[in-house]
Amino acid sequence: QSVLTQPPSASGTPGQRVTISCSGSNSNIRNHYIYWYQQFPGTAPKVLIYRDSQRPSGVPERFSGSKSGTSASLAISGLRSEDEAHYYCATWDDSLGGPNWVFGGGTKLTVL
Amino acid sequence: QVQLVESGGGVVQPGTSLRLSCAASGFTFSNFAIHWVRQAPGKGLEWVAALSIDGTYKYYADSVKGRFIISRDNSRNTVFLQMGLLTTEDTAIYYCARDEGAAMPTDYYFGVDVWGQGTTVTVSS
Repeated sequence: QSVLTQPPSASGTPGQRVTISCSGSNSNIRNHYIYWYQQFPGTAPKVLIYRDSQRPSGVPERFSGSKSGTSASLAISGLRSEDEAHYYCATWDDSLGGPNWVFGGGTKLTVL
Repeated sequence: QVQLVESGGGVVQPGTSLRLSCAASGFTFSNFAIHWVRQAPGKGLEWVAALSIDGTYKYYADSVKGRFIISRDNSRNTVFLQMGLLTTEDTAIYYCARDEGAAMPTDYYFGVDVWGQGTTVTVSS
């Protein structure tokens, strides 16, 4: 059971806008930055969004992150076939006897 | 460019030990905390451990506490993960990852911004 809750799957058609949620609590999302990672099969994860809503250079503007209270979201607009991948949210959590870095269970995005 | 290269993975028997290494380049290593994250076959990402910039503060997941030790040598730009009492549950790809921050209680905590390519650990009899 992950500390951060993500839907196991999401889908959309090319051109659509899709959002992936990440639900947490006061001990994690509310008090710490959220990071989002994209992972293709057989490859290492890559940072997509850092510090809640910042995009690294090279990440298309179609990807955006937001946070409110104990929840965060990753939005992908103008969905493309190459966006089909696993997406993970992550942050620090203070409730487990000390700061722990925690991940959501991951969301498999399918482009129909 | 910023790079993290893991090594030391392999096939080991249950109950034995293994040491992973992660060599960093392309940035000032001593300014960044480092994490180890693993991914079991077909599963999601699981955080293993993190280490502050000076090696003072060490953070572990409950699943490895007391069995794994994270350490770093800032003179060699290298971080290590000493793994002991290995079980089949430890079978995974192990990634080394850089944290934007220092992971010191006196500072604000940030998060992972760069990943290595991973090294595979298989625990099997």
